[in-house]
Amino acid sequence: DADVTQTPRNRITKTGKRIMLECSQTKGHDRMYWYRQDPGLGLRLIYYSFDVKDINKGEISDGYSVSRQAQAKFSLSLESAIPNQTALYFCATSHPSGSTDTQYFGPGTRLTVL
Amino acid sequence: GESVGLHLPTLSVQEGDNSIINCAYSNSASDYFIWYKQESGKGPQFIIDIRSNMDKRQGQRVTVLLNKTVKHLSLQIAATQPGDSAVYFCAESYAGGTSYGKLTFGQGTILTVHP
Repeated sequence: DADVTQTPRNRITKTGKRIMLECSQTKGHDRMYWYRQDPGLGLRLIYYSFDVKDINKGEISDGYSVSRQAQAKFSLSLESAIPNQTALYFCATSHPSGSTDTQYFGPGTRLTVL
Repeated sequence: GESVGLHLPTLSVQEGDNSIINCAYSNSASDYFIWYKQESGKGPQFIIDIRSNMDKRQGQRVTVLLNKTVKHLSLQIAATQPGDSAVYFCAESYAGGTSYGKLTFGQGTILTVHP
């Protein structure tokens, strides 16, 4: 979905380096999410934010941190990257409507940690 | 709960056939379900959703069926086309309290459509 962009799209880094992945959205959604996808697995939630002042841990937050700089921007940081953080990372946004809250995903960032 | 592993379920069909992709969900309290399609190199794309007060919902060439008794969700694709080839994920959510908006994804099913 072109309304959700992620940078960079691909990144190769070395163990111990600090990495930041960025997500921007033009959908005007309050809610943003970071997921990780590993081969053969579904998406697992790392962190999520329901508004600018709200940050919550997901199921696999260890080794990651996030910053919600504005409604439209949500960045994910790996303070000291390790090889098992090699994965596809997806950002998503949503805006609840009634009892539904469909998430819309960005194109992903492929991260390789050597 | 979900099984986790490196080998996704696969479904191979001929172009023009109907496809049925199944999903067992884990939380009996889940009340909102979504099907996503993920093509190679892309992010998941929303296909169709259903709330727990419904047992069937139709979209364009797709139908989602929900059986809460056995915690089962299915996606039916009519007249499957080669462009439907992708990995399909079901996701569940519970609208209660602070869990609202958090999706739990299944491991996915690979659909391959042969011309």
